[in-house]
Amino acid sequence: GESVGLHLPTLSVQEGDNSIINCAYSNSASDYFIWYKQESGKGPQFIIDIRSNMDKRQGQRVTVLLNKTVKHLSLQIAATQPGDSAVYFCAESRIQGAQKLVFGQGTRLTINP
Amino acid sequence: EAGVVQSPRYKIIEKKQPVAFWCNPISGHNTLYWYLQNLGQGPELLIRYENEEAVDDSQLPKDRFSAERLKGVDSTLKIQPAELGDSAVYLCASRRGTGGELFFGEGSRLTVL
Repeated sequence: GESVGLHLPTLSVQEGDNSIINCAYSNSASDYFIWYKQESGKGPQFIIDIRSNMDKRQGQRVTVLLNKTVKHLSLQIAATQPGDSAVYFCAESRIQGAQKLVFGQGTRLTINP
Repeated sequence: EAGVVQSPRYKIIEKKQPVAFWCNPISGHNTLYWYLQNLGQGPELLIRYENEEAVDDSQLPKDRFSAERLKGVDSTLKIQPAELGDSAVYLCASRRGTGGELFFGEGSRLTVL
């Protein structure tokens, strides 16, 4: 069945370092991918998205990479800050059709001072 | 602009009791979603509304869960009777149309004793 999962449930990095959060998906029909950040006690917040016709997209301090060959998605955060501590989810969808988002399990990112 | 507003933020009930959650989406957002989020997991879709019509309720356990969005704005999600396994965070989200960024509320955390 459809599934979106993450390789690592937890990740700790030093403040100022770069972090990479990975995600694997299994539905080859998915053509739209989103990364969300969820802080404790809050709802998920959109970070960045990418369509399947792209393999890289950059935002402010964040970069999403998409490898359709191996069905892999990653989120790179540059120069991590304490405020980056949160759980990060990837989600997959299709641009056409049911608009249903399928979320992965999440990776908890901890920034060490 | 106010975000998605949910209430109550926290609810503790005994099993077999009813419970209801309320959501006020962002003004102008005609698409509304209810998600269930278990601890450490990604959100799972329960129901999606376009205006007042439930266009996807395939994941809603209809024996005990019900939802409504009578005037195409606010929505309520009800559980009757609640079971221990219903303990989770119930997230509401909205977006304008069927594309674009999805905005989440802070969620309603339910504990069933």
